[in-house]
Amino acid sequence: EIVLTQSPGTLSLSPGERATLSCKASQSVTSSYLAWYQQKPGQAPRLLIYDTSSRATGIPDRFSGSGSGTDFTLTISRLEPEDFAVYYCQQYGSSLTFGGGTKVEIK
Amino acid sequence: EVQLVQSGAEVKKPGESLKISCKGSGYNFTNYWIGWVRQMPGKGLEWMGIIYPDDSDTRYRPSFQGQVTISADKSISTAYLQWSGLKASDTAMYYCAFGGNGYKFFFEYWGQGTLVTVSS
Repeated sequence: EIVLTQSPGTLSLSPGERATLSCKASQSVTSSYLAWYQQKPGQAPRLLIYDTSSRATGIPDRFSGSGSGTDFTLTISRLEPEDFAVYYCQQYGSSLTFGGGTKVEIK
Repeated sequence: EVQLVQSGAEVKKPGESLKISCKGSGYNFTNYWIGWVRQMPGKGLEWMGIIYPDDSDTRYRPSFQGQVTISADKSISTAYLQWSGLKASDTAMYYCAFGGNGYKFFFEYWGQGTLVTVSS
C-alpha cells in the first residue's frame, strides 16, 4: 500500500498569504493519479484537484496542484477566509490511499 | 443535479449488525465506481472499499476485508455498507462517494455522511 505523508501537520497563516502543502508518497504514484480535498468541520470532503493539477468543477484558480513521482504540492496563492480547513491528498494510481491531512489555521 | 443521499445516523450495541445505504441520483449510477470512506472522530479519511454497481465488482482495502461487506442494487441506484458484528471501534462517520471515469478512483461527489455510534 502506498503511504502518503502530508506536511506540515498544521500551517498557521494569515488571509492573503500563500499556502504550500506537501504530500510525499512512499513509492511513485502511477500516472500522477493524485487528488486533493478540502474538508471543513461538519462537512463532507470537497474535491479540489485531480490528476495532480486539474481543478475540479467550480474550484477557484487560486488553488493549484503540481508534482510527479513521489512529491506533490497543493498551493493556495492567496488565502481567503473560507480556505481555512483541513486538506487531504489521495492517490489512486495503485489501489487508493489518503494522506493524514494538513490543517490550515488562521494565524 | 447529481446527489448521493445516505441513510440516517445509527446507534447500535456491540455485536449488533447494521446496513447503511447510499442512493445515487442525477447520473448513470451503474457506470461509476462508488467508494466508502471512514472518518473516525477527530481523525482523517480512510478508504474502505469500492464497488462497480453494474457488475458488483468490489475491491476492499486489506484492513477492511472480512470486517465489512459492500454491495449495490443497481435497480434502485443504491450502494450499501454492512457489518455483521459491530465493535465500539466502528464508531465513525461513513461517507459514500464517486467521481472519476474508469479506474480513476477519485471522488468528486460525496454523500452527506452517516454517523454510526456503537456503545453498550
